[in-house]
Amino acid sequence: GENVEQHPSTLSVQEGDSAVIKCTYSDSASNYFPWYKQELGKRPQLIIDIRSNVGEKKDQRIAVTLNKTAKHFSLHITETQPEDSAVYFCAASIQAAGNKLTFGGGTRVLVKP
Amino acid sequence: DTAVSQTPKYLVTQMGNDKSIKCEQNLGHDTMYWYKQDSKKFLKIMFSYNNKELIINETVPNRFSPKSPDKAHLNLHINSLELGDSAVYFCASSPRTGLTGELFFGEGSRLTVL
Repeated sequence: GENVEQHPSTLSVQEGDSAVIKCTYSDSASNYFPWYKQELGKRPQLIIDIRSNVGEKKDQRIAVTLNKTAKHFSLHITETQPEDSAVYFCAASIQAAGNKLTFGGGTRVLVKP
Repeated sequence: DTAVSQTPKYLVTQMGNDKSIKCEQNLGHDTMYWYKQDSKKFLKIMFSYNNKELIINETVPNRFSPKSPDKAHLNLHINSLELGDSAVYFCASSPRTGLTGELFFGEGSRLTVL
């Protein structure tokens, strides 16, 4: 089955700096890669996603890049703000597998004011 | 309006007991899921139902039994609870199986087994 590795497990950045989280996946058939943000005590919520036919996608201060050949994808947060502090999860799935998302282990991001 | 709602939000019980968690979604989605989040925050899928039919059943002890009376409800019953069952259980839904897309999570049910 699919295996998703996520690094780093914790990330501390100064407000205004950029944060980068990297994920690798094992199954070359995976074609959908979402990122979820989970604030303390809250539910995970989708912040951005990318499909395998696209190399990069941006939404305001967040962007995701995908390298299918290397089987890795990354989340970039620019101009970080204290409200970006949360746990971020990457995930991967195969369209034919009934939307079975395999999550990475999560990255705890702390933005220091 | 709460899109995906779970009850109870907190559950504290003794080892060996049986407990249930209920989930309801009012989004009109076809597919519902149960995910388990352990103390290290790792999120792992347990079950998925599409229109009351079980489509994903991960390697979960058979003490866990999901039930979907209709496509808006997915309940989780756990028999003979063990310490290792302590976790946050998230229900989620998505528009249609076979099409990857956003998962809408409930607020989670924190189960503590003593």
